[in-house]
Amino acid sequence: EIVLTQSPDTLSLSPGERATLSCRASQSVNTFLVWYQQKLGQPPRLLIYDASNRATGIPARFSGSGSGTDFTLTISSLEPDDFAVYYCHQRTSWPRTFGQGTKVDIK
Amino acid sequence: EVHLLESGGGVVQPGGSLRLSCVASGFTFTTSSMTWVRQAPGKGLEWVSVITETAGTTKYAEPVKGRFSISRDNSKNTMYLQMTGLRVEDTAVYYCAKGGWSTPIDPWGQGTLVTVSS
Repeated sequence: EIVLTQSPDTLSLSPGERATLSCRASQSVNTFLVWYQQKLGQPPRLLIYDASNRATGIPARFSGSGSGTDFTLTISSLEPDDFAVYYCHQRTSWPRTFGQGTKVDIK
Repeated sequence: EVHLLESGGGVVQPGGSLRLSCVASGFTFTTSSMTWVRQAPGKGLEWVSVITETAGTTKYAEPVKGRFSISRDNSKNTMYLQMTGLRVEDTAVYYCAKGGWSTPIDPWGQGTLVTVSS
């Protein structure tokens, strides 16, 4: 099983600041790495698929990068709506796995 | 617009059974793999199971293997998760989602809560 480790667990930032979230895989996932955003009481929403592709309707301030075992989700300038929990997910091998999540909260 | 509606959740005693349903609309169900993901209260996401378009192949997470069974009825645009031998640790919101075999899991339904408690 591929273990995904996200860091940090919590990121406290102010609106307008840049957020950098990390996801490290225990073995290579090539570029089959996905990022989701989840707000309280809502299902996850797809942000980035296959490491760097923005999903339909996702603002350009969200970007993803990486390959192999190290991946980054960057939010260039935080909007009030971006404070949420972010999960990475690998879709290269079975069982599929998720990271434990990074909470981005307001400083 | 894709719409996924889960139902069947509820409170069940340890050792009991439940069957979850997911009715899909807004896309061609017969050409889409489908996935179940769960989330325990206050916890992260846990992948549970996936089924291919024709139900020819299924996969399960180790904690549910042998107890849960995923299936689908393409004539009804519906996917199911039959859960038996339920344990306290199966308590979670269960999300139905489109894709997950060769495509990213997206989008997700609103979820249905399963509570296993005596």
